[in-house]
Amino acid sequence: GENVEQHPSTLSVQEGDSAVIKCTYSDSASNYFPWYKQELGKRPQLIIDIRSNVGEKKDQRIAVTLNKTAKHFSLHITETQPEDSAVYFCAATASGGGADGLTFGKGTHLIIQP
Amino acid sequence: KAGVTQTPRYLIKTRGQQVTLSCSPISGHRSVSWYQQTPGQGLQFLFEYFSETQRNKGNFPGRFSGRQFSNSRSEMNVSTLELGDSALYLCASSPAGRRAEAFFGQGTRLTVV
Repeated sequence: GENVEQHPSTLSVQEGDSAVIKCTYSDSASNYFPWYKQELGKRPQLIIDIRSNVGEKKDQRIAVTLNKTAKHFSLHITETQPEDSAVYFCAATASGGGADGLTFGKGTHLIIQP
Repeated sequence: KAGVTQTPRYLIKTRGQQVTLSCSPISGHRSVSWYQQTPGQGLQFLFEYFSETQRNKGNFPGRFSGRQFSNSRSEMNVSTLELGDSALYLCASSPAGRRAEAFFGQGTRLTVV
């Protein structure tokens, strides 16, 4: 089955700086890579996703890049703000038939220092 | 449009008991998946239901089961509860044609004592 590794487990950055979270996956059949943000006591919320036919996707201050050859993908947050503090999870799955659910990384606790 | 609704939000059960959790998906979503979230293991896939049929199952013992009704609402059941079953149980629904896109509910916090 799929295995997703996520690094770092904790990331502390100064407000206004950029943050990068990296994930690797093992199953070459995976073709859908979402990122979730989970604030304390709240549900995971889908913030951005990327499919394997795309190398990069941006949404305002958030971007995700995918390198299919190396089997890794990354989340980039620019101009970080206090409300970006949360736990971020990457995930991978094969979105077509035979998908066995999302396989998640262990999460990155992002701390934005004022 | 209302989001995914899970009930109850909190549960305390005794070891050996059984428990049933409920999930109402976003209107129009027919696929419902369940995940277990713990500090040690993170988010782990339990099973997925579509049109009242279990489509996929994760690596959990048979004590964990689920079902889906004709209105797409889903329940999961855990029998013979163990202390290690204490976790946040999250339900997610997915839109037709975009099966992998999961929208999560607030979860049910289960504590087994």
